[in-house]
Amino acid sequence: GAGVSQTPSNKVTEKGKYVELRCDPISGHTALYWYRQSLGQGPEFLIYFQGTGAADDSGLPNDRFFAVRPEGSVSTLKIQRTERGDSAVYLCASSLKNSNSPLHFGNGTRLTVT
Amino acid sequence: AQSVAQPEDQVNVAEGNPLTVKCTYSVSGNPYLFWYVQYPNRGLQFLLKYITGDNLVKGSYGFEAEFNKSQTSFHLKKPSALVSDSALYFCAVRDPYAGGTSYGKLTFGQGTILTVHP
Repeated sequence: GAGVSQTPSNKVTEKGKYVELRCDPISGHTALYWYRQSLGQGPEFLIYFQGTGAADDSGLPNDRFFAVRPEGSVSTLKIQRTERGDSAVYLCASSLKNSNSPLHFGNGTRLTVT
Repeated sequence: AQSVAQPEDQVNVAEGNPLTVKCTYSVSGNPYLFWYVQYPNRGLQFLLKYITGDNLVKGSYGFEAEFNKSQTSFHLKKPSALVSDSALYFCAVRDPYAGGTSYGKLTFGQGTILTVHP
């Protein structure tokens, strides 16, 4: 079946602009996660959803970052007033609800802020 | 707070030799542990997990990992390395007993680059 899909695969934007990154999880997966990965680093947790609600948003770096999942499926990560330091690969993952279930990752969106 | 350490940035082995990629963790209770592999310009792929039971778990592509509670370690192993195993490997931990709704959060290590030479 289809895996986790992230669009766009690449996004170049100017400093100060607003961007939206989209994630389509695996059908039937109730949990959805956003991570950020900088070059040479491990994935850094941002937020995760159980259904429509954000169960843990402790990883969002500041109030410029926001994520939604209005219908419990597709999620959008929104970044306002982008800064050069936001440049990274943004990874989305989904899983079944159980805490022993592995995460299934998409290929990521590479965000470059110029 | 939960954390993971991968003490080696790089591991180099010759093809056909056994390989080990090290991982240690810190959680307040009994951990759920995972290994993932990442190939260039690709997302992370799940290799194996330890939840409970036998300390030696087997996963994809001939990989296995051994859970050692006293040493808080979960090292990844393979008896005979292949050139195609060359990739970036991540260990991750989840504390299923974390307070509130944080039980689903998966924390990753910094990664280890594995290079297998022909």
